Amino acid sequence: GAVVSQHPSRVICKSGTSVKIECRSLDFQATTMFWYRQFPKQSLMLMATSNEGSKATYEQGVEKDKFLINHASLTLSTLTVTSAHPEDSSFYICSAPASGGVYNEQFFGPGTRLTVL
Amino acid sequence: GESVGLHLPTLSVQEGDNSIINCAYSNSASDYFIWYKQESGKGPQFIIDIRSNMDKRQGQRVTVLLNKTVKHLSLQIAATQPGDSAVYFCAENNKGAQKLVFGQGTRLTINP
Repeated sequence: GAVVSQHPSRVICKSGTSVKIECRSLDFQATTMFWYRQFPKQSLMLMATSNEGSKATYEQGVEKDKFLINHASLTLSTLTVTSAHPEDSSFYICSAPASGGVYNEQFFGPGTRLTVL
Repeated sequence: GESVGLHLPTLSVQEGDNSIINCAYSNSASDYFIWYKQESGKGPQFIIDIRSNMDKRQGQRVTVLLNKTVKHLSLQIAATQPGDSAVYFCAENNKGAQKLVFGQGTRLTINP
């Protein structure tokens, strides 16, 4: 199956700093990627849809100015958590759908553990 | 349907027994359903999927059943093994929107 990578796998930062997380599709192109957030013992919550060449689409309640998304190429999307605070500590996961067909299987990255001190 | 900050329910089974994990979905327009397995600290891993024009699909040791009448989905794991310990999520997709909505998840633990 297709492979999606994320970098870094874990990051610890001080409150008030910004953190960038990368999501890459390694062996396929993805015009669309998705960013999820997962708190401990909870399900994945979709934050936003990253669109190559256009603005990201954010889910209700997600601050677009705090969670900056850039889909720089057909294989790379980045999520920047700006002015991070302890409540932003979470597991961030990206996914990318395989191309072709209505029912596109999505491939998930391994996740990035963010801890804000 | 949408998972709103609920804690994960847990299913405990004996090694070698069959496991049945259930999921209720809320959107009658959803036409594609997927089961994912998530191990601790990792991203979700695809297990099996099913389209709305089917009511049963089988894979290796796994079977997914879909009941559209009551909007219910189940995952059956045959001869459960220690490596099956994980959290299992159902997800639904609406008419090729590519936007997955995850259920709350179930933690499966295996007793030796």
